[in-house]
Amino acid sequence: GAVVSQHPSRVICKSGTSVKIECRSLDFQATTMFWYRQFPKQSLMLMATSNEGSKATYEQGVEKDKFLINHASLTLSTLTVTSAHPEDSSFYICSARPRTSGIDEQYFGPGTRLTVT
Amino acid sequence: GQNIDQPTEMTATEGAIVQINCTYQTSGFNGLFWYQQHAGEAPTFLSYNVLDGLEEKGRFSSFLSRSKGYSYLLLKELQMKDSASYLCAVSHNFNKFYFGSGTKLNVKP
Repeated sequence: GAVVSQHPSRVICKSGTSVKIECRSLDFQATTMFWYRQFPKQSLMLMATSNEGSKATYEQGVEKDKFLINHASLTLSTLTVTSAHPEDSSFYICSARPRTSGIDEQYFGPGTRLTVT
Repeated sequence: GQNIDQPTEMTATEGAIVQINCTYQTSGFNGLFWYQQHAGEAPTFLSYNVLDGLEEKGRFSSFLSRSKGYSYLLLKELQMKDSASYLCAVSHNFNKFYFGSGTKLNVKP
């Protein structure tokens, strides 16, 4: 149980285009989903917290107009990187907190590697 | 802000015991998590501490002292497959996690 999927696993896009990444909780409902990015050999940096049916909360320094987050249902959140640039190339990971979690735990998706050329 | 510190890299020998430390300064602390991450993969959950003391889970144990803002992850009977990065994460206000920089563990034969 508690499986989180991400799609696509890898994507290469040209500079200036937009890319959408999906995060799904497959066997549980998630009231909250989180988006992280990770640069090579660095740890996860929280970008935003996404609650179903409400606007995402962005961490300081993260541009909300560039990284659009939509949490349309209890099992799906999407991250759209708009007008992507090479510096947006990174490993993007989502996580989801089960609605009925007894502890404050998050389950992570397998990540999406974005390369902007 | 959140200050979470871990050593950058450690090396240990197969079969040995290694302790990875994590210190933190944070408001709204609700618990501390340890995750294992292999290169290019997502983190996987190892352990969770919300109260002071030691939590044991097979070859892995984790300790927490809230008054000292300190935790450690103890790995026993090291195996080659334990070579990975180990991430310390602090739960903040039951709402979000903040991760430390991660400790890369190299296990040598």
